[in-house]
Amino acid sequence: GQNIDQPTEMTATEGAIVQINCTYQTSGFNGLFWYQQHAGEAPTFLSYNVLDGLEEKGRFSSFLSRSKGYSYLLLKELQMKDSASYLCAVGDSNYQLIWGAGTKLIIKP
Amino acid sequence: IAGITQAPTSQILAAGRRMTLRCTQDMRHNAMYWYRQDLGLGLRLIHYSNTAGTTGKGEVPDGYSVSRANTDDFPLTLASAVPSQTSVYFCASSDTDSGANVLTFGAGSRLTVL
Repeated sequence: GQNIDQPTEMTATEGAIVQINCTYQTSGFNGLFWYQQHAGEAPTFLSYNVLDGLEEKGRFSSFLSRSKGYSYLLLKELQMKDSASYLCAVGDSNYQLIWGAGTKLIIKP
Repeated sequence: IAGITQAPTSQILAAGRRMTLRCTQDMRHNAMYWYRQDLGLGLRLIHYSNTAGTTGKGEVPDGYSVSRANTDDFPLTLASAVPSQTSVYFCASSDTDSGANVLTFGAGSRLTVL
């Protein structure tokens, strides 16, 4: 079957760095996506990886290893506004997205 | 402002009633999707449409129907609501010809079936 695993919840301190991991098993692979979702709001797109390696976008970076079925989202210089859920999703062989349950990130002052 | 509009924002519904959730986009995206989001679970695809006039079933289509008469609108209908359909429903759209299939989401519709 198809499966996306990510931690349920993580806690970090304002100003610090946090890494959110995602492992996946899917039928086919057409890209790995990270979305941010604040409580009560819609998910918004953060990053996309289709090739192995690191993609950097400001304070956020995303890494992919297709051979290991593994990705992580790295958030630097954490701010209180980064408190949100982070959703990992993989495009399968039909280009449909398979979603993880999300990681709730709590930022403490 | 370009984006996706969903209505209603929230609704309480008696079991057995019929309900249509509306979704309209103004980005001229070819593909549209309906997801439900439940606590502790990932977004689950209900139905999708790759282009106007076509629809397909997702992971959890039972009890739901959709139509795509034009590019902009993609309503989701619950023919006879049941309590297990209590959820937050998100409509999304994407331009599948642009490379990465990045989804834009509506604000969501919170549905409670009693």
